[in-house]
Amino acid sequence: EVQLVESGGGLVQPGGSLRLSCAASGFTFSTYSMNWVRQAPGKGLEWVSYISSTGTTIYDADSVKGRFSISRDNAKNSLYLQMNSLRDEDTAVYYCARVGSGSPLGYWGQGTLVTVSS
Amino acid sequence: DIQMTQSPSSLSASVGDRVTITCRASQGIGNDLGWYQQKSGKAPKRLIYAASSLQSGVPSRFSGSGSGTEFTLTISSLQPEDFATYYCLQHNSYPLTFGGGTKVEIK
Repeated sequence: EVQLVESGGGLVQPGGSLRLSCAASGFTFSTYSMNWVRQAPGKGLEWVSYISSTGTTIYDADSVKGRFSISRDNAKNSLYLQMNSLRDEDTAVYYCARVGSGSPLGYWGQGTLVTVSS
Repeated sequence: DIQMTQSPSSLSASVGDRVTITCRASQGIGNDLGWYQQKSGKAPKRLIYAASSLQSGVPSRFSGSGSGTEFTLTISSLQPEDFATYYCLQHNSYPLTFGGGTKVEIK
């Protein structure tokens, strides 16, 4: 069974940094590309970042470009999102997601909440 | 970037009603579209992929149609457990983009 478990969320001040992790199990992590998606409180879904299976191709949303960095460690079956220069508007639940049935967002984790506030 | 316009943003319906939600893409995306259901406090759950293919385990009252720029999610007979927010997602190209969501409420 595919399992994705996010961690690392919490309360951080504006301008601060946070690193999210996504632990993957139940599949061969190194063969799948991955994504991060977020959802601000009471708002819709927003795609954040993509990384290919080998880590050689990365895409970021304009809203996080230059501030967030996606990475992965295939030996540890883990996906990461390094978030720097955090802003109030980055407050959201962050989900990691894996390809499934021809869609880049076939399987989702349960999410981790990031709150940016002074 | 491809914009996804979803309508309506909310609707009220009764159990047993037929419900239709529409997504329009700003440019052609073939059938690179999925539909997701999200209940409060939970991660989104995929219902439909490739515009019209039903995800395994999803009830057959859900169906998807369309290609190119116009897509539809239909619930043939609304059930109590279907009251939720629904999103479309285009994955033809990055950045991936979602529709704004449709909240389905009890009338």
